[in-house]
Amino acid sequence: QKEVEQDPGPLSVPEGAIVSLNCTYSNSAFQYFMWYRQYSRKGPELLMYTYSSGNKEDGRFTAQVDKSSKYISLFIRDSQPSDSATYLCAPSMKTSYDKVIFGPGTSLSVIP
Amino acid sequence: DSGVTQTPKHLITATGQRVTLRCSPRSGDLSVYWYQQSLDQGLQFLIQYYNGEERAKGNILERFSAQQFPDLHSELNLSSLELGDSALYFCASSVDPPGAIYFGEGSWLTVV
Repeated sequence: QKEVEQDPGPLSVPEGAIVSLNCTYSNSAFQYFMWYRQYSRKGPELLMYTYSSGNKEDGRFTAQVDKSSKYISLFIRDSQPSDSATYLCAPSMKTSYDKVIFGPGTSLSVIP
Repeated sequence: DSGVTQTPKHLITATGQRVTLRCSPRSGDLSVYWYQQSLDQGLQFLIQYYNGEERAKGNILERFSAQQFPDLHSELNLSSLELGDSALYFCASSVDPPGAIYFGEGSWLTVV
């Protein structure tokens, strides 16, 4: 079982739709959870950074973590064409000695 | 702009050659990470340094090596290059793991 899994998509939605992006992980030691957005061949950009279970909202983006089921979600409200990118989830452990592992990413296309 | 600087942005070299990629982390960040992203592939963790010391190692080939210098900049050395080493190489930095990590724009290596 891979440490971090995401549906690769591509996911295509109309402009204005609510988008749900999901990620599962296998290691219960993960406590920090990050979502990144990557435009084609550009450096990943940090969108959300959360600790432990619960929800965190930032503008049109909401990150949701359910540690009991090892399931992470990113919701995008009122999606825009500029949201078209690949979304990567990255859980992390607590110590200074742990690598940050990225999921394979979900490709999203928002159609005007 | 994430504040992480990578040079060179593009590099074309022949098989068997050696190249050095350079990374300057964000001001104040002590931890540096290196990732490889091949065409249409996910981010593969290579290695992490914290304040000059190696902290975590991923699937880094023996032909590859890295170091972090006292001024906290880092270099990734790739030797005996093969066609399959063609990829985007990203550097990222964070203040203190497991804090959120911030990526540079990458160095695009093409081996011919």
